Amino acid sequence: SAVISQKPSRDICQRGTSLTIQCQVDSQVTMMFWYRQQPGQSLTLIATANQGSEATYESGFVIDKFPISRPNLTFSTLTVSNMSPEDSSIYLCSVLTSGVTNEQFFGPGTRLTVL
Amino acid sequence: ELKVEQNPLFLSMQEEKNYTIYCNYSTTSDRLYWYRQDPGKSLESLFVLLSNGAVKQEGRLMASLDTKARLSTLHITAAVHDLSATYFCAVDMPTTQGGSEKLVFGKGTKLTVNP
Repeated sequence: SAVISQKPSRDICQRGTSLTIQCQVDSQVTMMFWYRQQPGQSLTLIATANQGSEATYESGFVIDKFPISRPNLTFSTLTVSNMSPEDSSIYLCSVLTSGVTNEQFFGPGTRLTVL
Repeated sequence: ELKVEQNPLFLSMQEEKNYTIYCNYSTTSDRLYWYRQDPGKSLESLFVLLSNGAVKQEGRLMASLDTKARLSTLHITAAVHDLSATYFCAVDMPTTQGGSEKLVFGKGTKLTVNP
C-alpha cells in the first residue's frame, strides 16, 4: 500500500478565489490521479497527473479551471481556480502502486466549501 | 463509454442477515475494485479483482468477478453494525492498449445494518 497525505484537509473559500491542494505520497509512484466527489455523489476522475508533462484531463474538465502540477514521483498539486459554489466537493488524489498486483489507493481527501 | 451500475443504491439490513450488492459494467475491463467509504472519510480499498472467476474474501465480505457477464458481486454474510458504510465498485477504463488505470465508479451502495 501507500501512505498518502493531502493538504489542506478542508477549507472554506470565497467565490472567485483559488485554492491549491497538495498530495504527497511516501514512495515513488508512476501514476497519480485527481478525483472529485460532489456532495452525496460518487467519484469522477478529473485528470491524470503526469510527471514532467501536462496533465491529461477527462471530458468536462479543463486546465484553466483545474491546473495540475507533478514535479516529481511523490508529489502533485491541484488548483481549483476562480471558484464558485458548484465547486464545493471533496477532492481526492489517488496513486497506483506497482507490485504483484497494481492497486489504486486514495488520499484522505480535501473537503472544499465555496461560499 | 464505460458505464458502471450498482444496485441497490440503498440497503437496510438486519444484523446476522446475508445480502449481495451487484455491479454491472458496460465494456470489457481488466480490473475491478471494491471500496468502502465511511461518512466524512476517504476510500478504503477492499478488493481488486483481475480475472474471470476471481473470488476474494475478507471477513464477512466476499467479492467475485464474472468478466463474461460483466458483473461483480459483493456478498455480505451475517452482517454486523460495523459494516454500515457506502460501498463503491470501480472499473478500470479500457483503452486499445489495455487497461488505463483510470477508474469509473458506480454510484455507490449505502448500507445500513440495524441491530
